[in-house]
Formats: sequence, structure tokens, C-alpha cells
Amino acid sequence: GQNIDQPTEMTATEGAIVQINCTYQTSGFNGLFWYQQHAGEAPTFLSYNVLDGLEEKGRFSSFLSRSKGYSYLLLKELQMKDSASYLCAVVDSNYQLIWGAGTKLIIKP
Amino acid sequence: ETGVTQTPRHLVMGMTNKKSLKCEQHLGHNAMYWYKQSAKKPLELMFVYNFKEQTENNSVPSRFSPECPNSSHLFLHLHTLQPEDSALYLCASSQDQQGNQPQHFGDGTRLSIL
Repeated sequence: GQNIDQPTEMTATEGAIVQINCTYQTSGFNGLFWYQQHAGEAPTFLSYNVLDGLEEKGRFSSFLSRSKGYSYLLLKELQMKDSASYLCAVVDSNYQLIWGAGTKLIIKP
Repeated sequence: ETGVTQTPRHLVMGMTNKKSLKCEQHLGHNAMYWYKQSAKKPLELMFVYNFKEQTENNSVPSRFSPECPNSSHLFLHLHTLQPEDSALYLCASSQDQQGNQPQHFGDGTRLSIL
């Protein structure tokens, strides 16, 4: 079967750095998305990786290793507004999106 | 503002009621989706429409009935729902149905079945 694993919940301190991991086992691979979802709001697109390596976008970076079936989202200089759930989703060989259950990130002052 | 608007934001209904959820996108996209989101579970894809044609129905019970009159509007008609159907229902759109296109989501309808 197809599976996406990410931690259920993480806690970090304002101003610090946090890394949210995502491992996947899917039938084929055509890219990986990260979305952010604040409580009661729409998931919003953060990043898309299809090649190995690190993609940086301001305070957020996303890394992909296709050989390891692994990605992480790195958040730097954490702010209180970064408290949200972070969803990992993989595009399989049929171009279907397979979603993880999300990681709830709690930022403490 | 994501460009995808869902109404109502909250809905409480009895098991014998009939109601509809509405989604409208202003992004000029050709694909639209209905998802169910339950606590601590992955998003569950329910239906996909591409150019107004239904292309996916992921074994969704018939008490959920989608309708897509045009590429900008999507409805989910509900009747005789069960308590386990209580969840957040999200609508999304993307340029086309290729999975590697980012999806744009609405804020969802929080549905509670009494």
C-alpha cells in the first residue's frame, strides 16, 4: 500500500529552527508538496520538490531525497504565526496525490 | 484569500435533513476537488471534476452527491448523513488534473451531524 509518515505533533521555541520530516512509500513518484494549514483555515501551498536537493524560500526550505523516500521542511527564525499543521503530500505514478496526516507545530514564546 | 470560496463555513444538520455545500473558484482553473478532513487523518479525496466532467469517485457513499454545473462552481449535496460524516469538507481547485499542479483550497465547511 501507499504510505506517508510524518510526526503527529512537534513543539519549538520562537526564534528557533525546526525540521519536520516526511517519509513515503508510494507506487512511483512525481513530486512532493508541503502545505501549511492554520486551524480553521484552508491549506496553503508552501513548496513542491521533484528533484533531489534543497529548495529555499525565505524562512522556509524543503529538502528531498528520492532514493531514501524522504523529505523535510525546515522553518527558521520561528514566529508565533508559524503555529499550524504542515501537510506532506506525494504525487504517485498515476499523478494522484497521497496525503500524510499532517504535523501540528506548536510554537512557544 | 485563496481564490476559492466555500459556503457555509459551518453547518449543523440532523440525519434526515438535506443540505448542500457550495464551492466557487475565481482562478480560472479546470479541475475541482472535494475532500473530507477528519482529525489526525490524511485528507480523503472524495470527488474530482475536470472540465466539468467527474473523473474520480473514491467509493464515496451515495448519500454524498456532487454536482459541477461549470468549471467555476462545485456543489456537494448531502442527504441522510450519519454521525461519522461529521468532519471538515474542503474544496480545492488546480489548473488541471495533473497531480503535480498545486491545489488551492477553500476554508472548508465544518459539518456536524446530530
